[in-house]
Amino acid sequence: GAGVSQSPSNKVTEKGKDVELRCDPISGHTALYWYRQSLGQGLEFLIYFQGNSAPDKSGLPSDRFSAERTGGSVSTLTIQRTQQEDSAVYLCASSLTRGEQFFGPGTRLTVL
Amino acid sequence: SQQGEEDPQALSIQEGENATMNCSYKTSINNLQWYRQNSGRGLVHLILIRSNEREKHSGRLRVTLDTSKKSSSLLITASRAADTASYFCATDGAAGNKLTFGGGTRVLVKP
Repeated sequence: GAGVSQSPSNKVTEKGKDVELRCDPISGHTALYWYRQSLGQGLEFLIYFQGNSAPDKSGLPSDRFSAERTGGSVSTLTIQRTQQEDSAVYLCASSLTRGEQFFGPGTRLTVL
Repeated sequence: SQQGEEDPQALSIQEGENATMNCSYKTSINNLQWYRQNSGRGLVHLILIRSNEREKHSGRLRVTLDTSKKSSSLLITASRAADTASYFCATDGAAGNKLTFGGGTRVLVKP
């Protein structure tokens, strides 16, 4: 079946603008995760969803970051008032059970 | 913050040689996983080893886990040019489902 998909694949925005990143997990996967990867910080966890609820938001770096998941499927990560330090590759993953996570191709965000 | 460190940060070998990389972590874990990443994009899962396992094999991959030393190693045997990638260890701790990644090892396999 289809893997995890993310859109857009690349996003260039100006400092101060809001951006929305989308993740379509593998059908039937109840768990969904957002990570980001930047040169200075490596791979960092952002938020975890189980169904539509987010029991772990501990990795969100500031209140400019938020995420939601609807229908136990698609998730959107929103970054408000983007800053240059938000530039990174944002990766989404899903899993059926605890263990192997299946990653999407990522969204490369560049904030000018 | 990252759970652990990977060693070496970069590795260059000839095709056919073995590649070994190590990962150390800090807190107790439920399992440890290894992922491969090509060209800075999506991660591909390679192998998962549970905290009560000591060694696991998958094709040309061999993973060991020493929970007393909080360390793991990944061995790629008979490397191929297509194995050129970055390799990350990731731990799934008792506290939750999130993965905590190491800094990665960049492997270059020269033909």
